[in-house]
Amino acid sequence: GDSVTQMEGPVTLSEEACLTINCTYTATGYPSLFWYVQYPGEGLQLLLKATKADDKGSNKGFEATYRKETTSFHLEKGSVQVSDSAVYFCALSANTGNQFYFGTGTSLTVIP
Amino acid sequence: GAGVSQSPSNKVTEKGKDVELRCDPISGHTALYWYRQSLGQGLEFLIYFQGNSAPDKSGLPSDRFSAERTGGSVSTLTIQRTQQEDSAVYLCASSSVTFTDTQYFGPGTRLTVL
Repeated sequence: GDSVTQMEGPVTLSEEACLTINCTYTATGYPSLFWYVQYPGEGLQLLLKATKADDKGSNKGFEATYRKETTSFHLEKGSVQVSDSAVYFCALSANTGNQFYFGTGTSLTVIP
Repeated sequence: GAGVSQSPSNKVTEKGKDVELRCDPISGHTALYWYRQSLGQGLEFLIYFQGNSAPDKSGLPSDRFSAERTGGSVSTLTIQRTQQEDSAVYLCASSSVTFTDTQYFGPGTRLTVL
């Protein structure tokens, strides 16, 4: 079945460091791909998404490119800030449109 | 406008009791989703409603779980004969039409089964 595998955490970075959180997926057809973020004490919210191959989603300095050839949707940011500390979830919308799959989440802590 | 709301925010129950969890989606959103987040695990998709219909109920963990949505708005997730492994945070989300639309999440209901 469809699934999402993301990099295990936790990840600790210094401010202004580069971030990559790996996400790979297994799916039939052409799923849509998402990154959701949960800041401390807050609910889940959409960070970015891509609905077809080669699309790049971007928001708040974060980017992810939908790579069908490698079945990946890695999250990247060139310079992280303390305020980026959160749990990041990669997610997939199945081609059938009736199921949605989240990864296990990657906790990021950015230290000053 | 108001976001997704869920009630109760916390529920403690005894093993074997039934519980009802409620979700009020954003007004006008036709799609509604239920998820379960267990300690140390990711979000587990339970069920999706398009209007009042749930096209696929295979994500529900067992026949003790059921969900309904009425009037294209409020949804209730019912767990019968609760077990300790049902303890988790139950999250509800809604989106305007389909899965590719942004899902807006509620604050969740933390269920503890003693």
